[in-house]
Amino acid sequence: EPEVTQTPSHQVTQMGQEVILRCVPISNHLYFYWYRQILGQKVEFLVSFYNNEISEKSEIFDDQFSVERPDGSNFTLKIRSTKLEDSAMYFCASNKDSSNQPQHFGDGTRLSIL
Amino acid sequence: SQQGEEDPQALSIQEGENATMNCSYKTSINNLQWYRQNSGRGLVHLILIRSNEREKHSGRLRVTLDTSKKSSSLLITASRAADTASYFCAAAGNEKLTFGTGTRLTIIP
Repeated sequence: EPEVTQTPSHQVTQMGQEVILRCVPISNHLYFYWYRQILGQKVEFLVSFYNNEISEKSEIFDDQFSVERPDGSNFTLKIRSTKLEDSAMYFCASNKDSSNQPQHFGDGTRLSIL
Repeated sequence: SQQGEEDPQALSIQEGENATMNCSYKTSINNLQWYRQNSGRGLVHLILIRSNEREKHSGRLRVTLDTSKKSSSLLITASRAADTASYFCAAAGNEKLTFGTGTRLTIIP
Protein backbone atom coordinates (compact mmCIF):
# COMPACT_ATOMS: atom_id res chain seq x y z
CA GLU A 1 0.00 0.00 0.00
CA PRO A 2 1.41 3.44 -0.89
CA GLU A 3 2.77 5.45 2.01
CA VAL A 4 3.74 9.00 2.84
CA THR A 5 7.45 9.07 3.61
CA GLN A 6 9.28 11.69 5.62
CA THR A 7 12.97 12.41 6.01
CA PRO A 8 14.88 12.71 8.20
CA SER A 9 13.27 10.80 11.04
CA HIS A 10 15.16 12.93 13.55
CA GLN A 11 16.76 16.34 13.02
CA VAL A 12 18.86 18.13 15.61
CA THR A 13 19.56 21.79 14.87
CA GLN A 14 21.09 24.73 16.69
CA MET A 15 18.73 27.58 17.56
CA GLY A 16 18.74 30.22 14.85
CA GLN A 17 19.57 27.81 12.06
CA GLU A 18 17.34 26.98 9.14
CA VAL A 19 15.91 23.51 8.73
CA ILE A 20 14.13 21.78 5.84
CA LEU A 21 11.84 18.85 6.48
CA ARG A 22 11.07 16.66 3.52
CA CYS A 23 8.04 14.62 2.57
CA VAL A 24 7.08 12.44 -0.36
CA PRO A 25 3.27 12.30 -0.50
CA ILE A 26 1.36 9.45 -2.11
CA SER A 27 1.82 9.82 -5.86
CA ASN A 28 -1.75 10.39 -7.04
CA HIS A 29 -2.70 12.68 -4.16
CA LEU A 30 -3.40 16.33 -4.81
CA TYR A 31 -3.68 17.89 -1.34
CA PHE A 32 -0.75 18.14 1.02
CA TYR A 33 -0.55 19.14 4.67
CA TRP A 34 1.87 19.79 7.49
CA TYR A 35 0.97 19.31 11.15
CA ARG A 36 3.05 19.45 14.28
CA GLN A 37 2.77 17.81 17.68
CA ILE A 38 4.67 19.28 20.61
CA LEU A 39 5.55 16.57 23.12
CA GLY A 40 2.51 15.62 25.18
CA GLN A 41 0.17 17.96 23.30
CA LYS A 42 -2.40 17.60 20.56
CA VAL A 43 -1.65 17.51 16.84
CA GLU A 44 -1.93 21.02 15.37
CA PHE A 45 -2.60 22.02 11.78
CA LEU A 46 0.05 24.20 10.15
CA VAL A 47 -0.73 24.50 6.45
CA SER A 48 -2.50 22.93 3.49
CA PHE A 49 -1.23 23.08 -0.09
CA TYR A 50 -3.04 22.50 -3.37
CA ASN A 51 -2.30 23.32 -6.99
CA ASN A 52 1.11 24.72 -6.06
CA GLU A 53 -0.13 27.21 -3.55
CA ILE A 54 -1.09 27.48 0.08
CA SER A 55 -4.84 27.01 0.45
CA GLU A 56 -5.10 27.43 4.22
CA LYS A 57 -2.72 28.15 7.07
CA SER A 58 -2.95 28.46 10.84
CA GLU A 59 -1.77 31.24 13.12
CA ILE A 60 1.28 29.12 13.91
CA PHE A 61 2.38 29.28 10.28
CA ASP A 62 3.96 32.72 10.35
CA ASP A 63 6.72 34.24 8.21
CA GLN A 64 9.23 31.87 9.79
CA PHE A 65 7.65 28.99 7.87
CA SER A 66 7.37 28.24 4.17
CA VAL A 67 6.36 25.28 2.05
CA GLU A 68 7.36 24.24 -1.41
CA ARG A 69 6.75 21.50 -3.90
CA PRO A 70 10.04 21.76 -5.79
CA ASP A 71 9.35 18.86 -8.14
CA GLY A 72 6.63 16.33 -8.88
CA SER A 73 7.22 14.24 -5.80
CA ASN A 74 8.63 16.21 -2.86
CA PHE A 75 6.83 18.53 -0.47
CA THR A 76 9.02 20.48 1.93
CA LEU A 77 8.58 22.54 5.06
CA LYS A 78 11.26 25.15 5.73
CA ILE A 79 11.66 26.75 9.12
CA ARG A 80 13.91 29.80 9.16
CA SER A 81 15.77 30.96 12.25
CA THR A 82 14.56 28.12 14.45
CA LYS A 83 13.54 28.72 18.05
CA LEU A 84 13.55 26.37 21.03
CA GLU A 85 9.76 26.21 20.91
CA ASP A 86 9.88 24.80 17.38
CA SER A 87 10.96 21.48 18.89
CA ALA A 88 8.18 19.04 18.01
CA MET A 89 7.17 16.15 15.78
CA TYR A 90 6.27 17.39 12.33
CA PHE A 91 3.88 15.28 10.30
CA CYS A 92 3.22 15.46 6.60
CA ALA A 93 -0.09 14.21 5.20
CA SER A 94 -1.79 13.93 1.84
CA ASN A 95 -5.10 12.97 0.28
CA LYS A 96 -6.73 12.76 -3.12
CA ASP A 97 -9.50 15.18 -2.37
CA SER A 98 -9.89 17.57 0.52
CA SER A 99 -13.50 16.68 1.25
CA ASN A 100 -14.59 13.41 2.83
CA GLN A 101 -11.30 11.67 2.21
CA PRO A 102 -8.98 10.48 4.98
CA GLN A 103 -5.59 12.08 5.24
CA HIS A 104 -2.63 9.72 5.07
CA PHE A 105 0.17 10.60 7.46
CA GLY A 106 3.88 9.94 7.41
CA ASP A 107 5.76 8.74 10.49
CA GLY A 108 6.97 12.25 11.18
CA THR A 109 10.25 14.06 11.72
CA ARG A 110 11.29 14.71 15.28
CA LEU A 111 12.85 18.17 15.34
CA SER A 112 15.04 19.02 18.31
CA ILE A 113 16.28 22.59 18.64
CA LEU A 114 19.28 23.06 20.93
CA SER B 1 -15.53 21.62 26.58
CA GLN B 2 -12.64 22.65 24.38
CA GLN B 3 -12.48 22.07 20.65
CA GLY B 4 -11.76 18.41 19.97
CA GLU B 5 -11.62 17.05 23.47
CA GLU B 6 -11.60 13.33 24.11
CA ASP B 7 -12.99 11.62 27.14
CA PRO B 8 -11.54 9.83 28.99
CA GLN B 9 -7.94 11.01 28.75
CA ALA B 10 -6.74 7.54 29.70
CA LEU B 11 -8.44 4.15 29.75
CA SER B 12 -7.15 0.76 30.91
CA ILE B 13 -9.17 -2.37 30.27
CA GLN B 14 -8.67 -6.12 30.19
CA GLU B 15 -8.06 -7.83 26.90
CA GLY B 16 -11.34 -8.95 25.38
CA GLU B 17 -13.37 -6.11 26.87
CA ASN B 18 -14.87 -3.27 24.86
CA ALA B 19 -13.40 0.23 24.91
CA THR B 20 -15.44 3.37 24.36
CA MET B 21 -13.95 6.79 23.74
CA ASN B 22 -15.87 10.03 23.33
CA CYS B 23 -15.04 13.21 21.49
CA SER B 24 -16.54 16.68 21.32
CA TYR B 25 -15.95 19.40 18.79
CA LYS B 26 -17.06 22.99 18.27
CA THR B 27 -17.12 23.95 14.61
CA SER B 28 -19.27 22.71 11.74
CA ILE B 29 -17.76 19.71 9.96
CA ASN B 30 -17.75 17.85 6.68
CA ASN B 31 -16.79 14.69 8.48
CA LEU B 32 -15.29 13.35 11.69
CA GLN B 33 -12.29 11.05 11.59
CA TRP B 34 -10.59 8.79 14.13
CA TYR B 35 -6.88 8.08 14.12
CA ARG B 36 -4.59 5.83 16.15
CA GLN B 37 -1.05 6.73 17.14
CA ASN B 38 1.43 4.26 18.53
CA SER B 39 4.14 5.79 20.66
CA GLY B 40 6.59 7.79 18.56
CA ARG B 41 4.87 6.90 15.32
CA GLY B 42 2.61 8.61 12.80
CA LEU B 43 -1.17 8.77 12.76
CA VAL B 44 -3.01 5.85 11.25
CA HIS B 45 -6.47 6.52 9.87
CA LEU B 46 -9.12 4.25 11.35
CA ILE B 47 -12.53 5.40 10.20
CA LEU B 48 -14.33 8.41 8.70
CA ILE B 49 -17.96 9.30 9.30
CA ARG B 50 -19.62 11.97 7.21
CA SER B 51 -21.72 14.73 8.73
CA ASN B 52 -24.94 13.20 7.33
CA GLU B 53 -24.19 9.77 8.82
CA ARG B 54 -25.08 8.70 12.35
CA GLU B 55 -23.25 5.39 12.70
CA LYS B 56 -20.57 3.50 10.86
CA HIS B 57 -18.86 0.14 11.33
CA SER B 58 -15.49 -1.16 10.23
CA GLY B 59 -14.41 -4.53 11.58
CA ARG B 60 -14.22 -4.23 15.38
CA LEU B 61 -14.75 -0.47 15.22
CA ARG B 62 -18.06 1.31 15.60
CA VAL B 63 -18.29 5.08 15.43
CA THR B 64 -21.30 7.27 16.08
CA LEU B 65 -21.83 10.93 15.30
CA ASP B 66 -24.33 13.33 16.83
CA THR B 67 -24.04 16.65 15.02
CA SER B 68 -26.70 18.27 17.22
CA LYS B 69 -24.48 17.65 20.26
CA LYS B 70 -21.24 18.02 18.29
CA SER B 71 -20.02 14.72 19.65
CA SER B 72 -18.75 11.37 18.46
CA SER B 73 -17.86 8.07 20.04
CA LEU B 74 -15.53 5.27 19.04
CA LEU B 75 -16.17 1.74 20.27
CA ILE B 76 -13.54 -0.95 19.93
CA THR B 77 -14.99 -4.37 20.58
CA ALA B 78 -13.14 -7.47 21.80
CA SER B 79 -9.97 -5.48 22.51
CA ARG B 80 -6.52 -6.93 21.88
CA ALA B 81 -3.12 -6.10 23.30
CA ALA B 82 -2.20 -4.62 19.89
CA ASP B 83 -4.95 -2.00 20.34
CA THR B 84 -2.81 -0.28 22.97
CA ALA B 85 -2.22 3.21 21.54
CA SER B 86 -3.47 6.78 21.67
CA TYR B 87 -6.69 7.49 19.81
CA PHE B 88 -7.59 10.89 18.39
CA CYS B 89 -10.70 12.27 16.84
CA ALA B 90 -10.27 14.90 14.15
CA ALA B 91 -12.95 17.30 13.00
CA ALA B 92 -12.66 17.90 9.26
CA GLY B 93 -13.64 21.26 7.83
CA ASN B 94 -12.90 22.21 4.24
CA GLU B 95 -9.34 20.93 4.31
CA LYS B 96 -7.68 20.97 7.69
CA LEU B 97 -8.18 18.50 10.51
CA THR B 98 -8.66 19.79 14.03
CA PHE B 99 -7.50 17.12 16.44
CA GLY B 100 -8.66 16.38 19.93
CA THR B 101 -6.45 15.84 22.92
CA GLY B 102 -6.57 12.06 22.61
CA THR B 103 -7.37 9.02 24.75
CA ARG B 104 -4.49 6.84 25.85
CA LEU B 105 -5.83 3.26 25.70
CA THR B 106 -4.00 0.45 27.48
CA ILE B 107 -5.09 -3.14 27.00
CA ILE B 108 -4.04 -5.40 29.86
CA PRO B 109 -3.29 -8.97 28.68
